[in-house]
Amino acid sequence: GENVEQHPSTLSVQEGDSAVIKCTYSDSASNYFPWYKQELGKRPQLIIDIRSNVGEKKDQRIAVTLNKTAKHFSLHITETQPEDSAVYFCAASGFQKLVFGTGTRLLVSP
Amino acid sequence: KAGVTQTPRYLIKTRGQQVTLSCSPISGHRSVSWYQQTPGQGLQFLFEYFSETQRNKGNFPGRFSGRQFSNSRSEMNVSTLELGDSALYLCASSWAGENTGELFFGEGSRLTVL
Repeated sequence: GENVEQHPSTLSVQEGDSAVIKCTYSDSASNYFPWYKQELGKRPQLIIDIRSNVGEKKDQRIAVTLNKTAKHFSLHITETQPEDSAVYFCAASGFQKLVFGTGTRLLVSP
Repeated sequence: KAGVTQTPRYLIKTRGQQVTLSCSPISGHRSVSWYQQTPGQGLQFLFEYFSETQRNKGNFPGRFSGRQFSNSRSEMNVSTLELGDSALYLCASSWAGENTGELFFGEGSRLTVL
């Protein structure tokens, strides 16, 4: 089955810096890659997703890139702000099932 | 429109007991998925129901079971509770399925097993 690895587990940056979170997946048939943000004590919410027919997608300060050959995908956050502090989960859809990574705790210091 | 509602929000049980958690999806959503969230383990998939049928199942023991009703509301049950079952249980609904579009999560049911 699908296996998703996510790194780093913790990431600390200064406000205004960029943050990058990386994920790898094992199932070459996976074709849907969402990212969820979970603020402390709140429910996970989708922030961006990408499908396998595109290599990059941007939405304001966040972007996701996908390398199907290497089975890597990454989340890029530019000009980080304190409100970006949260746990971020990547996921990949294997055969009819969405598998999540173990999460990255991002801390943005003012 | 109303979001995903989970009940109860908090509960405490002792080893050996059983528990039933409920999830009401967003109106019109036919897929309900359940996840177990523990520190360091992320979101682990339990099962997905679509139109009252279990469509997918994760790698959890048979003590974990679920069902979905004709109005798409779903319940999950854990029997013979163990200490390691302490976790936040999240349900998520979507229109067609978890791998086809956005999942809308509930706030979760936090289970503590003593």
